[in-house]
Amino acid sequence: QQPVQSPQAVILREGEDAVINCSSSKALYSVHWYRQKHGEAPVFLMILLKGGEQKGHDKISASFNEKKQQSSLYLTASQLSYSGTYFCGTDMDSNYQLIWGAGTKLIIKP
Amino acid sequence: DAGITQSPRHKVTETGTPVTLRCHQTENHRYMYWYRQDPGHGLRLIHYSYGVKDTDKGEVSDGYSVSRSKTEDFLLTLESATSSQTSVYFCAISFLRPGLAGGEQFFGPGTRLTVL
Repeated sequence: QQPVQSPQAVILREGEDAVINCSSSKALYSVHWYRQKHGEAPVFLMILLKGGEQKGHDKISASFNEKKQQSSLYLTASQLSYSGTYFCGTDMDSNYQLIWGAGTKLIIKP
Repeated sequence: DAGITQSPRHKVTETGTPVTLRCHQTENHRYMYWYRQDPGHGLRLIHYSYGVKDTDKGEVSDGYSVSRSKTEDFLLTLESATSSQTSVYFCAISFLRPGLAGGEQFFGPGTRLTVL
């Protein structure tokens, strides 16, 4: 039931682009994206609701494909501050619970 | 930043002892959650609350109980701590439930619990 995130880890140079995927075996009502830096709490990035919309702010955007039961997070022209572990949280039955992926570790090198 | 505090921030205890973790919020959000985070597992929901005295189990609730007597406080109790409950515990709050705009969750700083 846990969504599958890919890749598990990625190393980039500053300025390169990254895509992180989150796939579910069940239908999704919404997908949440969070970033967590080492030793800190997860921080909310964006929420995508049923309807296939794409959202974004600054150089981080995301898409949600309901039919494929997956979401993708796009980081454009990555900055050092983008380093951390990215988690997707999936809402599978529109109740109060999010089921979280295992995370994607992103390392940005100068 | 959302006003969420957790106490204690660190705790070391022995197997078999009871432990209570506290989450306190100043945002007046209706929904509160307790998660544990372990390497390779991401975040796993223990219990959640959708109002004062309204709580329900998450996916890993065995060995844990919760109480919410006031909007601002959500307590997590380990009745008899075991080594498998060594983890980092996060509290989170949200204004609405996850499937709605406004359902984003804001996390507290976490409590690192070690059970010897």
